[in-house]
Amino acid sequence: AQSVTQLDSQVPVFEEAPVELRCNYSSSVSVYLFWYVQYPNQGLQLLLKYLSGSTLVKGINGFEAEFNKSQTSFHLRKPSVHISDTAEYFCAVSLPFNKFYFGSGTKLNVKP
Amino acid sequence: GAVVSQHPSRVICKSGTSVKIECRSLDFQATTMFWYRQFPKQSLMLMATSNEGSKATYEQGVEKDKFLINHASLTLSTLTVTSAHPEDSSFYICSARDFNGRGMEKYEQFFGPGTRLTVL
Repeated sequence: AQSVTQLDSQVPVFEEAPVELRCNYSSSVSVYLFWYVQYPNQGLQLLLKYLSGSTLVKGINGFEAEFNKSQTSFHLRKPSVHISDTAEYFCAVSLPFNKFYFGSGTKLNVKP
Repeated sequence: GAVVSQHPSRVICKSGTSVKIECRSLDFQATTMFWYRQFPKQSLMLMATSNEGSKATYEQGVEKDKFLINHASLTLSTLTVTSAHPEDSSFYICSARDFNGRGMEKYEQFFGPGTRLTVL
């Protein structure tokens, strides 16, 4: 079975500072990896995904993530955050044509 | 990307009543839809996988008689919470897969905006 661990439940950061949200996964087979963002009382919006190819994936809103197979990680990064990035971020893993497994989420709180 | 809608966005009902939530894929055909529940400050928990024209597959611990799922067409799945109680109050989110999607899109899930259910 697959599982996802997001070690940081909350990450406070000042505006214009860089941020990294950590995601580690467990799987005995190759998986697809996703990062989603959720604003209060809204559904999930896809930030980026890794399905194959280049391990550095660029997404929307200036976010990027790097797939590291040896460390089974898929950390999300942004070089300079904005107040509007305050939200909850979920990492997810899936097998092809299979259900998603979500991490517990990381709340990013950007302070002025 | 593909668009998924949910209706209603918010619903308040009395304990003991039934509530139906609709999930629609607006610009693609979804042979599979998924229903999730999200409690406050928690992650999404998969409740069931809904396949068009067949019975839904429920996750362990989810009562199939309480959470009725119907996926009658390639663009519509419904979740009915029967005899709702306050503990069923939650944020319900659906997602859909486009197996006819171009390239790698078929491996993605597209999420609806969610339905906030409050049972008094």
